[in-house]
Amino acid sequence: GAGVSQSPRYKVAKRGQDVALRCDPISGHVSLFWYQQALGQGPEFLTYFQNEAQLDKSGLPSDRFFAERPEGSVSTLKIQRTQQEDSAVYLCASSPRQGNTEAFFGQGTRLTVV
Amino acid sequence: QKEVEQNSGPLSVPEGAIASLNCTYSDRGSQSFFWYRQYSGKSPELIMSIYSNGDKEDGRFTAQLNKASQYVSLLIRDSQPSDSATYLCAAILYNQGGKLIFGQGTELSVKP
Repeated sequence: GAGVSQSPRYKVAKRGQDVALRCDPISGHVSLFWYQQALGQGPEFLTYFQNEAQLDKSGLPSDRFFAERPEGSVSTLKIQRTQQEDSAVYLCASSPRQGNTEAFFGQGTRLTVV
Repeated sequence: QKEVEQNSGPLSVPEGAIASLNCTYSDRGSQSFFWYRQYSGKSPELIMSIYSNGDKEDGRFTAQLNKASQYVSLLIRDSQPSDSATYLCAAILYNQGGKLIFGQGTELSVKP
């Protein structure tokens, strides 16, 4: 596709519900990043893939968060048993290759846990 | 110490002035640095990348990198009200597997 696509754009979840957020990177992009952004803050790193390999998941806040990219293209961020503190914008970015390259963002998914 | 640090601002400048945005980073092995602009309610948009010491100019924007001081800056000349946004500094941390890390952002307000 022309750009990074994320779905859904908005998600309201009841506390305790599981959610899945999807990211479609730019075609052919090797690296894929997930971030969590709270209001007034910069994007906080969650996890990072190179193709299907998850190279770093140090930013995932708890074991309720899980990300996968099984075929090295589309990625899914899953949050189990959502809590109110999970409410944030979740951003996905992709870049053409690992390392010294620019990353481009999708529109984000705004998650509200009620 | 955060890996990438910025003054959160807000920074307010009059229209036509130069806006100067600053950023420091902790990973001496980092080679790649980026500036993103984020309008309220929108996702970050890449505006500049810089990989070598010195200045890089693109239109009204100049990025400056000083690896010895671990310092990156962005200058916006002839600031316009449409430049009002949050500016995010980012670095690829080579000593941490190549992940892309952002500062907290600096809010810029350009007054007409």
